[in-house]
Amino acid sequence: EAQVTQNPRYLITVTGKKLTVTCSQNMNHEYMSWYRQDPGLGLRQIYYSMNVEVTDKGDVPEGYKVSRKEKRNFPLILESPSPNQTSLYFCASSLKDREVDTQYFGPGTRLTVL
Amino acid sequence: KNQVEQSPQSLIILEGKNCTLQCNYTVSPFSNLRWYKQDTGRGPVSLTIMTFSENTKSNGRYTATLDADTKQSSLHITASQLSDSASYICVSRSGTYKYIFGTGTRLKVLA
Repeated sequence: EAQVTQNPRYLITVTGKKLTVTCSQNMNHEYMSWYRQDPGLGLRQIYYSMNVEVTDKGDVPEGYKVSRKEKRNFPLILESPSPNQTSLYFCASSLKDREVDTQYFGPGTRLTVL
Repeated sequence: KNQVEQSPQSLIILEGKNCTLQCNYTVSPFSNLRWYKQDTGRGPVSLTIMTFSENTKSNGRYTATLDADTKQSSLHITASQLSDSASYICVSRSGTYKYIFGTGTRLKVLA
């Protein structure tokens, strides 16, 4: 089944404790992206990747890191999480980033930073 | 400032009725307009994608329209079903790589 998977789905952590949220897709997609969704704000793009070893900042990259060493994986790293990073995170992928390419979203990771 | 505004914020309708959701966008340069359905606790799922030259696109009971002159889009749902209860998100793509999301319309369909 074609899908985007994220792990973990739920995570409660404490301020300053490094964490990684994994994202994997099995559709051989070149484009991958991370978003956060907060009440009243809609989804906002954190980072995106056009292909292996090619990443760039989105609208809200502060406090996050990403890497794209393999085509299928695009992990999101929080080196020192803070409470304002409590949010619902989505990974998405598309074949490329052409105008009409559909983005497929993962199921989401709900992160709480205490 | 690039932004996408949706109305209403929430809507309650009876099963079988039609409804229309609105989206106004101020995005430059404009590339395309997308509608997504997001069930509670799940990731958004694409419904339609319309480029500048398209003014209507259907996906089953969902029909999206686009007026590039007034910078408005609508999503019409025909003969609503209980499973249509979800949030509907309007997204405008600006140039390459950049997506601007609306805050969504929460639809509740009652039996």
